[in-house]
Amino acid sequence: AQSVAQPEDQVNVAEGNPLTVKCTYSVSGNPYLFWYVQYPNRGLQFLLKYITGDNLVKGSYGFEAEFNKSQTSFHLKKPSALVSDSALYFCAVRSYSGYALNFGKGTSLLVTP
Amino acid sequence: KAGVTQTPRYLIKTRGQQVTLSCSPISGHRSVSWYQQTPGQGLQFLFEYFSETQRNKGNFPGRFSGRQFSNSRSEMNVSTLELGDSALYLCASSWTSENEQFFGPGTRLTVL
Repeated sequence: AQSVAQPEDQVNVAEGNPLTVKCTYSVSGNPYLFWYVQYPNRGLQFLLKYITGDNLVKGSYGFEAEFNKSQTSFHLKKPSALVSDSALYFCAVRSYSGYALNFGKGTSLLVTP
Repeated sequence: KAGVTQTPRYLIKTRGQQVTLSCSPISGHRSVSWYQQTPGQGLQFLFEYFSETQRNKGNFPGRFSGRQFSNSRSEMNVSTLELGDSALYLCASSWTSENEQFFGPGTRLTVL
């Protein structure tokens, strides 16, 4: 079975400060890992993915994520937060042999001016 | 290139009725997945289709079913609606199951 944990329901950060949204995963074998963002009343937008290769993955809108196999983590980061980054962020995992994405519960990010 | 489209965007039904939701994937995408999103359970996988074959199904009762057509368009059907079926139903498509999925805006289903 595969699963994702996002330990924080909400993350608050001031504009201009770095942000981190945490994600840990559990999967048999090597994982495919993804981050998505959801704005109110909208579908999910793809941010970035880790399949293989470099542990630091760069994605859309200045976001990046670091894959850590020993800690089974895939934390989302951004060096300087914007108010417009305020949204709901989802981490997802899929095993190499599966077809379904398992999503975390989501973390609400609030960036204050 | 047009994104994933879902119709209708909003739907109100009463208990016991059935409903069909439609999804048109991005042109060229052959994998279509469906998810249910609720405040309590979050995002839950319903099923995935590739080239008209259901390859994986989530832990949902048999009232939830789907299909995919030869043009990759997909429909999902929920029969004998229950209040708990009220949710945002999201469709996502990808080139293959290894690639990232692109999501549609969802269909908001309300069961009264």
